[in-house]
Amino acid sequence: AQSVTQPDIHITVSEGASLELRCNYSYGATPYLFWYVQSPGQGLQLLLKYFSGDTLVQGIKGFEAEFKRSQSSFNLRKPSVHWSDAAEYFCAVGAYNQGGKLIFGQGTELSVKP
Amino acid sequence: EAGVTQSPTHLIKTRGQQATLRCSPISGHTSVYWYQQALGLGLQFLLWYDEGEERNRGNFPPRFSGRQFPNYSSELNVNALELEDSALYLCASSLGTGAYNEQFFGPGTRLTVL
Repeated sequence: AQSVTQPDIHITVSEGASLELRCNYSYGATPYLFWYVQSPGQGLQLLLKYFSGDTLVQGIKGFEAEFKRSQSSFNLRKPSVHWSDAAEYFCAVGAYNQGGKLIFGQGTELSVKP
Repeated sequence: EAGVTQSPTHLIKTRGQQATLRCSPISGHTSVYWYQQALGLGLQFLLWYDEGEERNRGNFPPRFSGRQFPNYSSELNVNALELEDSALYLCASSLGTGAYNEQFFGPGTRLTVL
């Protein structure tokens, strides 16, 4: 069955430090991969997506992610975290035969220390 | 451009009652998706509507149903409410069908079942 795993439930980083959020997926076909961010009381905002081509994708707010097929991973990175990045981050996978359905990971809550 | 809107923001019901949640997609978007975000269960796909038809359904009982109107807005109905239906219900819309189309999310309706 298709699944998405985000191994880290909660991460705390200092402001200005680098960040990497892990995401592993399990899917037989070529997946479409997404990272979303959810601030308290808000809906989800798309940070970036990967469909094909260059495996390093750039997103909004200075985020990037790298698709590694051999590791079934799509980790999210940011070189320097800002206090406003504190939020919950969700990795999701969709596929052409899933009928628009996105499968989400459990989410990683990011806290930022001043 | 207005984003996806959902109403009401909060809804409190008692067990056995029915709940109706509403969603207006971004203008021009024909696909509407519903997701449930329950504590401890993460984000789970509920339903997908496109051009007025139900296109895909998640692993939820039949008491979760909905429809899409000619103006592409959508309604989610939950009958015979149970305590475990308490969750944030997120609606999303996309310009086209298929997993590669970005889904834009609304702020959600918080349903509390007492």
